[in-house]
Amino acid sequence: DAGVIQSPRHEVTEMGQEVTLRCKPISGHNSLFWYRQTMMRGLELLIYFNNNVPIDDSGMPEDRFSAKMPNASFSTLKIQPSEPRDSAVYFCASSLGLAGDNTQYFGPGTRLTVL
Amino acid sequence: SQELEQSPQSLIVQEGKNLTINCTSSKTLYGLYWYKQKYGEGLIFLMMLQKGGEEKSHEKITAKLDEKKQQSSLHITASQPSHAGIYLCGALTGTYKYIFGTGTRLKVLA
Repeated sequence: DAGVIQSPRHEVTEMGQEVTLRCKPISGHNSLFWYRQTMMRGLELLIYFNNNVPIDDSGMPEDRFSAKMPNASFSTLKIQPSEPRDSAVYFCASSLGLAGDNTQYFGPGTRLTVL
Repeated sequence: SQELEQSPQSLIVQEGKNLTINCTSSKTLYGLYWYKQKYGEGLIFLMMLQKGGEEKSHEKITAKLDEKKQQSSLHITASQPSHAGIYLCGALTGTYKYIFGTGTRLKVLA
């Protein structure tokens, strides 16, 4: 299995621009998670989906952030407009389900830099 | 809100030495996960513990979950440079919230 696939791996953009991060979960996994990692705040859960439906988006920092999962094999995290403080590594993870015995498998991350 | 505290924040050990990393929660956890992250890369799953008192081992790494399911320890025996990285504990709380500790940066000197 290819694992969780994220693209792009690196993104550099200017403040005010729209940024779209993409994720392909492991085939057969029903749950998908978006995380943000910074030195200051560590790893933070932004939003997660189960069977393509957003379950909890309380971690999404602002209305500038939105996430979609149009089908079981694809999800996007969009930031519009982007700001320098959004600079971070964004991880996508997937698991078989939400129960405690379902391990999350992480993608390699997208390193976002907003100038 | 419930949080996971990891200690120590960083650790430098000589190759061959044993070490322990701790992860503590103020509330009962419904699943405790240990991950390793190499600098600039994604998280690699190590082990998952669910039952109070559970202990699992993989190669030279052993993880335990206490009876109350509020504290876990990760022990590395005879550390090697390949063990270097950031170790993160993660947990599932009672409301399907996944939380992570702040990580422990491990450096192993050859």
